[in-house]
Amino acid sequence: QKEVEQNSGPLSVPEGAIASLNCTYSDRGSQSFFWYRQYSGKSPELIMFIYSNGDKEDGRFTAQLNKASQYVSLLIRDSQPSDSATYLCAVDRDNYGQNFVFGPGTRLSVLP
Amino acid sequence: EAGVAQSPRYKIIEKRQSVAFWCNPISGHATLYWYQQILGQGPKLLIQFQNNGVVDDSQLPKDRFSAERLKGVDSTLKIQPAKLEDSAVYLCASSLVGLAGRADTQYFGPGTRLTVL
Repeated sequence: QKEVEQNSGPLSVPEGAIASLNCTYSDRGSQSFFWYRQYSGKSPELIMFIYSNGDKEDGRFTAQLNKASQYVSLLIRDSQPSDSATYLCAVDRDNYGQNFVFGPGTRLSVLP
Repeated sequence: EAGVAQSPRYKIIEKRQSVAFWCNPISGHATLYWYQQILGQGPKLLIQFQNNGVVDDSQLPKDRFSAERLKGVDSTLKIQPAKLEDSAVYLCASSLVGLAGRADTQYFGPGTRLTVL
């Protein structure tokens, strides 16, 4: 089992819709969870992070964490064509911020 | 605030040649990471430094890859000799030292795209 799994996509949604991106992780002791966005040919940039179970909202983005199910998701409301990118889920596997693993990423395409 | 700097941005070499990449992290960031990102995949951690000490190099192919971080600031990553499968983007990232139990945000440089022919 891979440590961090994501659907590779592409996930296609129409403009204005909600895009839902999912990530599962294998290490139950993981503490910190990050979503990065990566445009083609560019380096990853942080969208948001979440540490506690539940939802965390930041503008059009909502991260959801369920540690019991080892599942973290990212919702993008009112999707825009500019949201078209690869979304990387990253997990800190230990308690010291020193064991970082990225998933393979999900490619999102928002259609005008 | 200046971001993470990397050079060169692009490099083309032939297999069995050597190559070196340079990274200058954000000022004050104690933690520095080198990642390898193969096309279509997520970044894979090669080595992590905290100040000038190595925290994790478990995925660094030590027979051909080496890295150092002198004086806890700049870092270089070297490949010698290069193989075809080393073709990838090499990303450097830096972060503050996180609180216990919390990783801190990583800020990425623009990357170096390496092509091995």
